[in-house]
Amino acid sequence: ETGVTQSPTHLIKTRGQQVTLRCSSQSGHNTVSWYQQALGQGPQFIFQYYREEENGRGNFPPRFSGLQFPNYSSELNVNALELDDSALYLCASSLAGRGLSGNTIYFGEGSWLTVV
Amino acid sequence: GESVGLHLPTLSVQEGDNSIINCAYSNSASDYFIWYKQESGKGPQFIIDIRSNMDKRQGQRVTVLLNKTVKHLSLQIAATQPGDSAVYFCAEIGNSGYSTLTFGKGTMLLVSP
Repeated sequence: ETGVTQSPTHLIKTRGQQVTLRCSSQSGHNTVSWYQQALGQGPQFIFQYYREEENGRGNFPPRFSGLQFPNYSSELNVNALELDDSALYLCASSLAGRGLSGNTIYFGEGSWLTVV
Repeated sequence: GESVGLHLPTLSVQEGDNSIINCAYSNSASDYFIWYKQESGKGPQFIIDIRSNMDKRQGQRVTVLLNKTVKHLSLQIAATQPGDSAVYFCAEIGNSGYSTLTFGKGTMLLVSP
């Protein structure tokens, strides 16, 4: 067990809808990252939050947004869902910040999103 | 863009054999590498990591080798077991100071009893 928990585990949404995914980081970890993993592919970095601020972003459109709360938990929001958004969404937590790359990064089990 | 890739998409071995999974990376500035194991329907599980100032690191039944000259990373699994069957990813972190991972596509390891 990594101590990183995600919810919901599975969900189905209709194209055009909005979705919110949640993540609780491992105790003491102040950095949360979100990744999208399409079937048969490696995870792709969406964005990272450190101390409640976005700390880096991958190649994803603005309809992918997030939040981090004072307890370091995080949400991923996706608006105007498209069929290609169907994927496993992974949350990863670490104890790191600017200049501290290299700390072990642990993943949750993910949220399976199907857009129909 | 920068990427991390794997040479073999599928590796089939017999139980008890040693397995070697290879990975090539293209970002010479990467300073930290991690191997993850991902079983079907689950999130990536940390296996072992290595920093760029090291050539080799050993864990329980696993060894990671790093060759910075040719930008190559390998994961060796000793006495492979059926429970080792999974997709294995190598991932890199650059030296930007942010702990963001770049993954390759993965290698499927199939272990036959």
